[in-house]
Amino acid sequence: QQQVKQSPQSLIVQKGGISIINCAYENTAFDYFPWYQQFPGKGPALLIAIRPDVSEKKEGRFTISFNKSAKQFSLHIMDSQPGDSATYFCAAIVNQGGKLIFGQGTELSVKP
Amino acid sequence: DAMVIQNPRYQVTQFGKPVTLSCSQTLNHNVMYWYQQKSSQAPKLLFHYYDKDFNNEADTPDNFQSRRPNTSFCFLDIRSPGLGDAAMYLCATSSWRGQEQYFGPGTRLTVL
Repeated sequence: QQQVKQSPQSLIVQKGGISIINCAYENTAFDYFPWYQQFPGKGPALLIAIRPDVSEKKEGRFTISFNKSAKQFSLHIMDSQPGDSATYFCAAIVNQGGKLIFGQGTELSVKP
Repeated sequence: DAMVIQNPRYQVTQFGKPVTLSCSQTLNHNVMYWYQQKSSQAPKLLFHYYDKDFNNEADTPDNFQSRRPNTSFCFLDIRSPGLGDAAMYLCATSSWRGQEQYFGPGTRLTVL
């Protein structure tokens, strides 16, 4: 019940296309959902995050869509660029517990 | 810029030779975390400090210890590194439990 399931494991997108990564969870106590971007040899960087009282959050080319009833959320990268090539992790936190539960990660490759 | 700093960035040690990794932060965050990340996997939480309160994950080997002498610094000690301990070690901080975590660049540990 503490798991966050992420798909796909890897994704190849052409430059200018839309990248979509999906995550699902079971624990309804999760109340904060961040996404992290990690380049090879670097630490994860917080990209964008959402709380379950909001259905969508957009920051630049990055959008989180959140479906509370389905317990699913997704990251959309519009106009994907080669510089977006990285591993993306969705995550979830129980506010009072504080432990960050990561999805399995998605390796995104954007082809020029 | 406020940040999380890890030293060294690369550490090579011999099988069984103790090693210490360090983390410092200028964010003045209350919570500091240590994660282990192996290739193509999500970060795995080893332990965290909520202020001076130490919290060990149940499956963290006894070989791993941590110290937090003050708010800004946290150390990871690996008493007798084995080949299986070769990994990226990530330090992260958050203002409170349940808040977004900010990661350092990581220390890549090689065990010969």
